[in-house]
Amino acid sequence: EDQVTQSPEALRLQEGESSSLNCSYTVSGLRGLFWYRQDPGKGPEFLFTLYSAGEEKEKERLKATLTKKESFLHITAPKPEDSATYLCAVLGPRQGNLIFGKGTKLSVKP
Amino acid sequence: NAGVTQTPKFQVLKTGQSMTLQCAQDMNHNSMYWYRQDPGMGLRLIYYSASEGTTDKGEVPNGYNVSRLNKREFSLRLESAAPSQTSVYFCASRRLARELFFGEGSRLTVL
Repeated sequence: EDQVTQSPEALRLQEGESSSLNCSYTVSGLRGLFWYRQDPGKGPEFLFTLYSAGEEKEKERLKATLTKKESFLHITAPKPEDSATYLCAVLGPRQGNLIFGKGTKLSVKP
Repeated sequence: NAGVTQTPKFQVLKTGQSMTLQCAQDMNHNSMYWYRQDPGMGLRLIYYSASEGTTDKGEVPNGYNVSRLNKREFSLRLESAAPSQTSVYFCASRRLARELFFGEGSRLTVL
């Protein structure tokens, strides 16, 4: 069964304290791994798509990487405005939709 | 750009009442989706429409019906609402096997 597991469930950081969020997945024939950011009371906002192991993408303080079993979202020198829930999702060959993890709630304190 | 628009944003129903959530996208996407999001459960797919004229069940379809009215619009209907359907509902759309674009959500409470 296709599955996505995100860890930790919650992460508290001080401003400037770099860290990583993990997304491990089991899916045969990955067609894409997606990262989203969700603010309270809002819909998920697309961040990155990764298609193959070894691929990396960056946007401001965020960098996403992909291996054959997991993806990491690295946050460098975070700011309070980076506080949000970060969602990971995978698309496999037989899926008509994305399978989402439960998310990591990130809090960055000034 | 409007993107994905959902109505209503908030709704309170009594058990047994019916209602329809409306969704429209202006990005000319072929595929549209309805998800529900509950604390500790993540996003779960209710129904999706891969293209105009087709609909398919997702992970949690019971108690819901959908209509793909045209390429732009995809509605979700609750025929007889139950407290277990209290949730935040998200509509999304995408082109081919690309990323999903989400609406802002519809917050439904069933008393």
